Amino acid sequence: SQKIEQNSEALNIQEGKTATLTCNYTNYSPAYLQWYRQDPGRGPVFLLLIRENEKEKRKERLKVTFDTTLKQSLFHITASQPADSATYLCALDIEIGYSTLTFGKGTMLLVSP
Amino acid sequence: EPEVTQTPSHQVTQMGQEVILRCVPISNHLYFYWYRQILGQKVEFLVSFYNNEISEKSEIFDDQFSVERPDGSNFTLKIRSTKLEDSAMYFCASSPGQGNTEAFFGQGTRLTVV
Repeated sequence: SQKIEQNSEALNIQEGKTATLTCNYTNYSPAYLQWYRQDPGRGPVFLLLIRENEKEKRKERLKVTFDTTLKQSLFHITASQPADSATYLCALDIEIGYSTLTFGKGTMLLVSP
Repeated sequence: EPEVTQTPSHQVTQMGQEVILRCVPISNHLYFYWYRQILGQKVEFLVSFYNNEISEKSEIFDDQFSVERPDGSNFTLKIRSTKLEDSAMYFCASSPGQGNTEAFFGQGTRLTVV
């Protein structure tokens, strides 16, 4: 089954800077990859989905890239704000032929004013 | 905005007891899921449900677990004989389609087994 690695457990940046989070997977290339935000004690909230034939996807201050050669997705938050502080989870299909998501452990982002 | 609702928000139970966690998925969604998250660990898939039957399940979802859609709106997870290691946040999720569509998660039920 898939293994997902997300860079560093915590990332501290200053307000206004761009945060870049990394998601690496180890086995087969998924048909799609999703990013979620999770606040403490709350359920994950969907942010963006990118398909294997898409290189980049944007939504407001968020950008996701997907490199199937490197088996990596990058998640960027531009002009970061303290309200962006949360844990960001990468998710992709759990197994070939399955549709259910498997999640990475997440990267905790802390944006300081 | 439609949302997935879960009850109760917190449940404390004694080891060996049965618990039922309840969820109301978004009304026009077809796929339903249960995930769990042990404190400090990642969100783990338990089971998916479609067309009134289990479509996928993980190794965690053993014989002590069962799911049911007793009516047109509720989706339940039953844990038959709880163990200490079942203590976790349990999230219900639903999605309109399979695979490459977003999943909508509820706020979770924190289960504490003592």
